[in-house]
Amino acid sequence: SQQGEEDPQALSIQEGENATMNCSYKTSINNLQWYRQNSGRGLVHLILIRSNEREKHSGRLRVTLDTSKKSSSLLITASRAADTASYFCASGTYKYIFGTGTRLKVLA
Amino acid sequence: KAGVTQTPRYLIKTRGQQVTLSCSPISGHRSVSWYQQTPGQGLQFLFEYFSETQRNKGNFPGRFSGRQFSNSRSEMNVSTLELGDSALYLCASSLYTSGGTDTQYFGPGTRLTVL
Repeated sequence: SQQGEEDPQALSIQEGENATMNCSYKTSINNLQWYRQNSGRGLVHLILIRSNEREKHSGRLRVTLDTSKKSSSLLITASRAADTASYFCASGTYKYIFGTGTRLKVLA
Repeated sequence: KAGVTQTPRYLIKTRGQQVTLSCSPISGHRSVSWYQQTPGQGLQFLFEYFSETQRNKGNFPGRFSGRQFSNSRSEMNVSTLELGDSALYLCASSLYTSGGTDTQYFGPGTRLTVL
């Protein structure tokens, strides 16, 4: 079974709005990563947050990590149509387990 | 620096056949992992190789096997193909310097269709 669970499974927003996706995991981790996948293609690494970090920023992305709740969130600000993709969190200690993904659709 | 490359990109096979997929990691990366992605099961970890040794393995039957060469290139093989093996197979490479999980960089995948 998947270790990570993303929430929501699907999200549809207007261009310019913010998109927030959540991820929960089950076991202890060294770090947690977020990836983007466009339409059945390879995954693109977005951001890595280590287990001793609480928040990290990269451009329009903001990731938070709460190890006590075993959860993370990804915020995409000022979304664009090009952000339309599936987003996955990946967590683990010696191997990554991917969540089920959130399908984000940004409407122009 | 060139990214992770996978060949072939698309493959059509029939049940009972076997298939070999290839992955070339980013130069300098020593760890290669393989994942299977299907609409029903999502992304599932197959196995990981480091320095020509399988370090981690997922919950897949023995029909799925892999290997890594001294130049870190990796192949995975699926024997006696079943319809359910139709999937996108993704390869990822990482430096694996810390002994824990490092950033994995993914290739474009090989789309396998089993008829």
